Amino acid sequence: NAGVTQTPKFQVLKTGQSMTLQCAQDMNHNSMYWYRQDPGMGLRLIYYSASEGTTDKGEVPNGYNVSRLNKREFSLRLESAAPSQTSVYFCASKAGNYGYTFGSGTRLTVV
Amino acid sequence: RKEVEQDPGPFNVPEGATVAFNCTYSNSASQSFFWYRQDCRKEPKLLMSVYSSGNEDGRFTAQLNRASQYISLLIRDSKLSDSATYLCVVNKDTGFQKLVFGTGTRLLVSP
Repeated sequence: NAGVTQTPKFQVLKTGQSMTLQCAQDMNHNSMYWYRQDPGMGLRLIYYSASEGTTDKGEVPNGYNVSRLNKREFSLRLESAAPSQTSVYFCASKAGNYGYTFGSGTRLTVV
Repeated sequence: RKEVEQDPGPFNVPEGATVAFNCTYSNSASQSFFWYRQDCRKEPKLLMSVYSSGNEDGRFTAQLNRASQYISLLIRDSKLSDSATYLCVVNKDTGFQKLVFGTGTRLLVSP
């Protein structure tokens, strides 16, 4: 009963490097999300996908891209990492009118 | 005005105490409301949904006041294990439901 799985759990990048955060859910949910959480800022929506094949920008999309590979997987890519992208990233999925189920998070540091 | 506002706390209470948190939201069209719990360095986890008529789950009671646009969470007989940050969550729109998170209220329960 894995729920939402995120990889990696920790990552350190140098400024300008790229990386992809992976997320997969096994609950057959249509909707998937990427949030970042920073101290004092709460969780902020980066991108979301209402269903397979669709993606939309959230509150803070600049510097990120996403891919909804299939119903299970929703990846987040940083093309050229910046120190301002140091954060904890959470992937989540949702079915219907219920709350989100979150992955365990990725702690990213950009130096 | 923030979309969802919470008192950051911390609320320091002794074991066995009753504690209440409030949260206000700005979008009168919001339809879905939740309380999440987040432990230090962990992902948020759904504590309970909040229904118009109010609802209870063991020691936890949630209330919704649509007229005043606030949500409350009451915890009775506090346990040490209740120490966490409690996030108030509201849906952003009446269509596809993007959830907006408050920055959280920190609760510390002491022996």
